[in-house]
Amino acid sequence: DGGITQSPKYLFRKEGQNVTLSCEQNLNHDAMYWYRQDPGQGLRLIYYSQIVNDFQKGDIAEGYSVSREKKESFPLTVTSAQKNPTAFYLCASRLAGAYNEQFFGPGTRLTVL
Amino acid sequence: AQSVTQPDIHITVSEGASLELRCNYSYGATPYLFWYVQSPGQGLQLLLKYFSGDTLVQGIKGFEAEFKRSQSSFNLRKPSVHWSDAAEYFCAVVPGGGGNKLTFGTGTQLKVEL
Repeated sequence: DGGITQSPKYLFRKEGQNVTLSCEQNLNHDAMYWYRQDPGQGLRLIYYSQIVNDFQKGDIAEGYSVSREKKESFPLTVTSAQKNPTAFYLCASRLAGAYNEQFFGPGTRLTVL
Repeated sequence: AQSVTQPDIHITVSEGASLELRCNYSYGATPYLFWYVQSPGQGLQLLLKYFSGDTLVQGIKGFEAEFKRSQSSFNLRKPSVHWSDAAEYFCAVVPGGGGNKLTFGTGTQLKVEL
């Protein structure tokens, strides 16, 4: 079945450690996105990528980094510079074209202790 | 500033009652409009979308939404709510002309009383 996978589902890290969240899609979508979700704030865009080896900052990119070496994969690194990293992280992908919607993965809940 | 507003943080309805969730936007041109649903601890699922044309849009799970340009609104409706509809609902927009960036409202948490 085609879809988006995010791993792990739950992630615990100590303060000051970098952590990488995985996002893989087999939908042959061109664009991929990372969002952060906090209670009462909706989803906020961290980074997005429209093609391999290219990505752009979203609204809250500080303290995060990404790479897009393969079309299917868009890992997100939460660095120690991120002041409040505990959140629910959602990955999405979309086929190129003006009328195509984003499809979402199941999410990763990151807790920094 | 461009924004998406969902005025109701929480809504409670009885099973079998009708539902309307509000969404307002402030964009110069008509944006592309979406409603997504999220069950606890899960990803988002698209309910319906509007780009142009007929202003009444039918979606999955018996939901519909109506685009009203004069009110800058895209409210989600369902004639008869089921207990399984309890979830969080998000309105989202892409600026008119398309593009990559979705802007989300803050969500409405729906509780269904049996």
